[in-house]
Amino acid sequence: GEDVEQSLFLSVREGDSSVINCTYTDSSSTYLYWYKQEPGAGLQLLTYIFSNMDMKQDQRLTVLLNKKDKHLSLRIADTQTGDSAIYFCAESTGNAGKSTFGDGTTLTVKP
Amino acid sequence: DTAVSQTPKYLVTQMGNDKSIKCEQNLGHDTMYWYKQDSKKFLKIMFSYNNKELIINETVPNRFSPKSPDKAHLNLHINSLELGDSAVYFCASSQDRTGGLDFGPGTRLTVT
Repeated sequence: GEDVEQSLFLSVREGDSSVINCTYTDSSSTYLYWYKQEPGAGLQLLTYIFSNMDMKQDQRLTVLLNKKDKHLSLRIADTQTGDSAIYFCAESTGNAGKSTFGDGTTLTVKP
Repeated sequence: DTAVSQTPKYLVTQMGNDKSIKCEQNLGHDTMYWYKQDSKKFLKIMFSYNNKELIINETVPNRFSPKSPDKAHLNLHINSLELGDSAVYFCASSQDRTGGLDFGPGTRLTVT
């Protein structure tokens, strides 16, 4: 079955760049997503990328996709304390609800 | 202007009880979902409804029964609650198959 893996923790200093990595196993994955979950809140869709794209940039966020290696990354430039949260990678073959989620990476930003 | 709302936000109950969680979305989306997030923050889909029809039913005990009275509402009823049911339950919705999910704020269920 599908599997999505992420490292569980990342700690960076304020102002540095953060890179959160994700690998997936389903070669038919068509859509890949990044969600952010702040404490006590629901998940918020940050960005998504289609599998025919290599890169997508949205302000401080850059998503890179290496389809050959089934590797997805999220780079946050100039990381702020407000970026501290859990970041979930997810993949889907075309039904957004049937997305398979990674276990989440807890990002801690130190002042 | 809440997009996906759930009630209650917190639910504390004893083993063996029956409880319901309600979800409503005002986004006009066709598909709604229930997800369960355990204490380690792992997220698993439970059910999905499209225009009031069940389309995804993962391996969930039949004590859990979703009900969709209309496409804007998807409620979750749980019978004979067990300790292992303690988790945060998220409702979500989506319009199409590409754009990702809109999540509700979650319902923290604690079974004692």
